[in-house]
Amino acid sequence: AIQLTQSPSSLSASVGDRVTITCRASQGVSSALAWYQQKPGKAPKLLIYDASSLGNGVPSRFSGSGSGTDFTLIISSLQPEDFATYYCQQFASYPPFTFGPGTKVDIK
Amino acid sequence: QVQLEESGGGVVQSGRSLRLSCGASGFTFSGYSMHWVRQAPGKGLEWVAIISHDGSQKNYAASVKGRFTISRDNSKNTLHLQMNSLRTEDTGVYYCASGIIVGATAFDFWGQGTLVTVSS
Repeated sequence: AIQLTQSPSSLSASVGDRVTITCRASQGVSSALAWYQQKPGKAPKLLIYDASSLGNGVPSRFSGSGSGTDFTLIISSLQPEDFATYYCQQFASYPPFTFGPGTKVDIK
Repeated sequence: QVQLEESGGGVVQSGRSLRLSCGASGFTFSGYSMHWVRQAPGKGLEWVAIISHDGSQKNYAASVKGRFTISRDNSKNTLHLQMNSLRTEDTGVYYCASGIIVGATAFDFWGQGTLVTVSS
């Protein structure tokens, strides 16, 4: 099964900061990678699919890049509503549709 | 608009069974694969199971294989998860999800989740 790792596991940032989260796959997943945002007590929300395509209604400050084994989620200017936990997920080889362990973004 | 709504969660003793349901509306349910994803308290997301659009193909996470059964009733726009031989480590929020607008490479719609608590 494909394993996903994320770094960092948590970070503290300020409003307006540029935030970068990485996701690494144990084997190549081509571009079959998605990113989600989850706030406490809520279902995850799709941000990015196919590694770099923006989900419906997702602000343009979110962007995704990468292919193969290394992927990046960038928030260009962190907003108050962006404090949350972020997960990557691969769709290249299943089962399972593996999720990364998550990156928690909180207020500095 | 697309809506997914889970039900059936609750408190159950270890070793017992529980059946979750997910009602779907706002899209052609019979045209899409459906998934269950769970999240233990304070932990990350774990994919649980998938069923194809017509119910002919099913796959499971290793942690639930042989104990959980995913099924669907396309005439009632409903997805199910039959959970047998429950363990305390099955405790968590269970979500149904699917890739509808974006296709099969992401989950763009999720239910609100239903909490399952397995007590010892």
